[in-house]
Amino acid sequence: AQTVTQSQPEMSVQEAETVTLSCTYDTSESDYYLFWYKQPPSRQMILVIRQEAYKQQNATENRFSVNFQKAAKSFSLKISDSQLGDAAMYFCAYKRGRGSEKLVFGKGTKLTVNP
Amino acid sequence: EPEVTQTPSHQVTQMGQEVILRCVPISNHLYFYWYRQILGQKVEFLVSFYNNEISEKSEIFDDQFSVERPDGSNFTLKIRSTKLEDSAMYFCASRFRDSSYEQYFGPGTRLTVT
Repeated sequence: AQTVTQSQPEMSVQEAETVTLSCTYDTSESDYYLFWYKQPPSRQMILVIRQEAYKQQNATENRFSVNFQKAAKSFSLKISDSQLGDAAMYFCAYKRGRGSEKLVFGKGTKLTVNP
Repeated sequence: EPEVTQTPSHQVTQMGQEVILRCVPISNHLYFYWYRQILGQKVEFLVSFYNNEISEKSEIFDDQFSVERPDGSNFTLKIRSTKLEDSAMYFCASRFRDSSYEQYFGPGTRLTVT
């Protein structure tokens, strides 16, 4: 069974600085997708960034980028120029490429942004 | 921007009672999901629903659980006889049929079983 591990329950960063959130996963599949979701307090989870395993290039979305290391099964999220609105729970999630719709989540990392 | 909505935001029920959690997915979405998160634990997949039938379910989704899309807009999760361990946050999600596989989540219903 696939598992996703986020080893940092909490992280903090100064406004305008850069922070990296870690995620590792375990799978025997070669075709899969990885996601980072953000959940602000009392709000729904929203997708931050997505990475297809077959793509070697790391995904980027504005200030958010990933470091996808397929051999190491690592998928970290880098947030540059952190803003107060980035404060949230961040969840890493895995989805098999075919044959399954389910997302497998990590436990989450609570990010605090200090002014 | 369209959003997934869920009602109620908080439901308190007694053990053994039936509860129905309601979700309104985004209108042109075709895949629907329920997840739950017990306090302090991971978000766990319960079930996916497509073309008016369950397409996948987890071991958690036993005979006590059922899902339904009673009309063109609602998607419900029913728990027939609630147990204390069903206390959790329940999230509904939906997605369009495209290759992004992006699931859009609702804000959740907090279910408390006493």
